Amino acid sequence: DIQMTQSPSSLSASVGDRVTITCRASQGIRNDLGWYQQKPGKAPKRLIYAASSLQSGVPSRFSGSGSGTEFTLTISSLQPEDFATYYCLQHNSYPFTFGGGTKVEIK
Amino acid sequence: QVQLVQSGAEVKKPGASVKVSCKVSGYTLTELSMHWVRQAPGKGLEWMGGFDPEDGETIYAQKFQGRVTMTEDTSTDTAYMELSSLRSEDTAVYYCATALRGAVADDFDYWGQGTLVTVSS
Repeated sequence: DIQMTQSPSSLSASVGDRVTITCRASQGIRNDLGWYQQKPGKAPKRLIYAASSLQSGVPSRFSGSGSGTEFTLTISSLQPEDFATYYCLQHNSYPFTFGGGTKVEIK
Repeated sequence: QVQLVQSGAEVKKPGASVKVSCKVSGYTLTELSMHWVRQAPGKGLEWMGGFDPEDGETIYAQKFQGRVTMTEDTSTDTAYMELSSLRSEDTAVYYCATALRGAVADDFDYWGQGTLVTVSS
């Protein structure tokens, strides 16, 4: 199974900050990676697909990069509605695997 | 636009089975690859299994092999996930999640609202 190591597990940031979250795959997964945002009591919402493509309707302050084993989600200027938990998901091979999550909290 | 509407919350005793449904609208099930993901209270997301359109089979996570069955009723565009031999550790919110077959990426751009399954004696 491919392990997805996500870091950090949590972070505190202020509105307007630039935030970076990383996922590392235990083996190469090309660009078969998505990033998801989840708010309490809600289903996850995909932000980025194919590692770097912005989901329709998602603000352009979100961006993704990487290929192979190292991937990054960047929020260029954190907004109040961005405080949530973020997950990466590899879908290169079965079983699909999620990263452990990053909780973004208000500083 | 795909919409997924799941069945309501369930309370089950240890050893029982639960069957969660996921009704599709906007597209037909045959146009989608349906998967199931669960989330225990306060924990992360866990993929349970789903339909692989490349070989036309349902793939299950090894952790759930022998206990989970995912089925589809194409006449009603409803997907089902049945989990048997329930234990307290199966208490979680269960989500159906899907992508259009042939999409650029086959991870999940559509999710159901989630179904809470509580296992308690």
